[in-house]
Amino acid sequence: DSGVTQTPKHLITATGQRVTLRCSPRSGDLSVYWYQQSLDQGLQFLIHYYNGEERAKGNILERFSAQQFPDLHSELNLSSLELGDSALYFCASSVDLAGGLNEQFFGPGTRLTVL
Amino acid sequence: AQSVTQPDIHITVSEGASLELRCNYSYGATPYLFWYVQSPGQGLQLLLKYFSGDTLVQGIKGFEAEFKRSQSSFNLRKPSVHWSDAAEYFCAVGARGNQKVTFGTGTKLQVIP
Repeated sequence: DSGVTQTPKHLITATGQRVTLRCSPRSGDLSVYWYQQSLDQGLQFLIHYYNGEERAKGNILERFSAQQFPDLHSELNLSSLELGDSALYFCASSVDLAGGLNEQFFGPGTRLTVL
Repeated sequence: AQSVTQPDIHITVSEGASLELRCNYSYGATPYLFWYVQSPGQGLQLLLKYFSGDTLVQGIKGFEAEFKRSQSSFNLRKPSVHWSDAAEYFCAVGARGNQKVTFGTGTKLQVIP
């Protein structure tokens, strides 16, 4: 158990809908990262938040957005869903120390199926 | 920009045999290097990491990796593979002061009796 929790574990929805994925980082971790893992694209970095602020963006679509709340949990919002958005979505957290120690601990993931 | 190449998509080894998974990285300065393992239906678990110092790094589950700057490689090894090692293995590179970590495409390990 990494200490990172993600809900829900599975999500099935229809095209055009909107869903919210939730992540709680390990106690004491200020950074949260979101990744998408699909068969054809592999593990793709989406976005990084540190202590409530967006720090880096990766291959995140405009239909997707995220935020990190004052209690440090994070939500990934996916809207106007398409079949191709079906994937495993992982959240990871890390402790940001001086010098950039960035070992990440991954949650169990949310499997999204868009029908 | 940093990048990671795992040239082997799929590897099959016999139980008890030795294992080496290849990883090559591209990064202009001294990288942070990681190996993660993902079992089916699970999240990624950190096996080991290299930040600095001794270039031979020991990890969990009997794995080790060696950082070779001249070859831009960070290969993962295990002297004797167990059936429970069957999983997908990801190499990743991170940058000092930059929290972005880039993952390779993964190597699926199959262990046969």
